[in-house]
Amino acid sequence: EDQVTQSPEALRLQEGESSSLNCSYTVSGLRGLFWYRQDPGKGPEFLFTLYSAGEEKEKERLKATLTKKESFLHITAPKPEDSATYLCAVQLSVAGNKLTFGGGTRVLVKP
Amino acid sequence: EAGVTQFPSHSVIEKGQTVTLRCDPISGHDNLYWYRRVMGKEIKFLLHFVKESKQDESGMPNNRFLAERTGGTYSTLKVQPAELEDSGVYFCASRSSGANVLTFGAGSRLTVL
Repeated sequence: EDQVTQSPEALRLQEGESSSLNCSYTVSGLRGLFWYRQDPGKGPEFLFTLYSAGEEKEKERLKATLTKKESFLHITAPKPEDSATYLCAVQLSVAGNKLTFGGGTRVLVKP
Repeated sequence: EAGVTQFPSHSVIEKGQTVTLRCDPISGHDNLYWYRRVMGKEIKFLLHFVKESKQDESGMPNNRFLAERTGGTYSTLKVQPAELEDSGVYFCASRSSGANVLTFGAGSRLTVL
């Protein structure tokens, strides 16, 4: 069965304290891996798509990387506005663009 | 460009009643998806429309759920009759045919008492 597991479930950081979020997956035929950010009361907001092992994408303080079994979302020198739930989702080759989500990591950055 | 719009934002109903959720996708997006997050669980796929046709409805939990997309524009998701376990947040997402990224709406929170 295809599985996506995110860890940790929650993360409390001090402003400026860098950290990494993990997304491990067990799927057959990965087509792409997506990272989304979700704020309370809002829908997921697209951050990155990664398609092959070794690929990296960056946006401001965020950097996403991909291996054959997992993806990391690195947050460098976070600010309070980076507080959100970060969602990882995989797209399978045979699944017609639908996404399989992990449970998310809730990140709180304190000033 | 207007985003994906969902209505209502929150609905509270009694068990056994009917609720209809509506989604207006981004204009021109042929692909429309419904997802659901129930308490404590991950977001799960329900179904996928391409224009007015159901491309994949493998995630629909049972026949109490009916999704339509008349004319290939907005979509509705009806739950009839609602059960307690249907409580959660229902998300709609859309994408254009040439893109691979889904744009999500803010969700419709359903509470069944």
